[in-house]
Amino acid sequence: QVHLVESGGGLVKPGGSLRLSCVASGFTFSDYYMTWVRQAPGKGLEWLSYISNTAVTIYYADSVKGRFTISRDNAKNSLYLDIDSLRAEDTAVYYCARRVAIRGSFDYWGQGTLVTVSS
Amino acid sequence: DIQMTQSPSSLSASVGDRVTITCRASHSISSFLNWYQQKPGRAPKLLIYAASTLESGVPARFSGSGSGTHFTLTISSLQPEDFATYYCQQTYTTVTFGGGTRVDI
Repeated sequence: QVHLVESGGGLVKPGGSLRLSCVASGFTFSDYYMTWVRQAPGKGLEWLSYISNTAVTIYYADSVKGRFTISRDNAKNSLYLDIDSLRAEDTAVYYCARRVAIRGSFDYWGQGTLVTVSS
Repeated sequence: DIQMTQSPSSLSASVGDRVTITCRASHSISSFLNWYQQKPGRAPKLLIYAASTLESGVPARFSGSGSGTHFTLTISSLQPEDFATYYCQQTYTTVTFGGGTRVDI
């Protein structure tokens, strides 16, 4: 069955950088767009970015454009999110998810990885 | 950008109640509207896509309707496992989530 497992979260100082990873299994990773979504403590869901199956098409939410970089390695069934210049407001659980073609819904999600930005 | 507004932001209900949650888009999104359920400490789960199509494995007591700018999620008879937060999501232009509706006892 489909599994998505995020890693790379932790405690980071303001201004620091981080790379989050998401390893996929149970499906042909190279066939699917993938996406990142975050959720600050006690808050709602915030979409961050998605990347096409070939990495040719990439979109970012305006709120993270310029600081976040999404990428993927289809040979490793892996999705990445690089975050620069971390701020306290980036503290959140970060989820990766699989995006369904055409309708764009997110049908499978990982369990999330917590990023805490604090000095 | 398309804004998604959910109402109410929270509601209290009892087992067996019929519950309706509304989601409004700031611009027409055709039927590019999805609904998710999230329980505390868990990842969201897709319930309905394309406004009204039930995701595989989701109980038939969940239903969705609407198109354009006005959408609804209905739970016909609330079950104990349905107490959760529900989010709408538009995928007409990139992605936007609604603010969520918490359903509790």
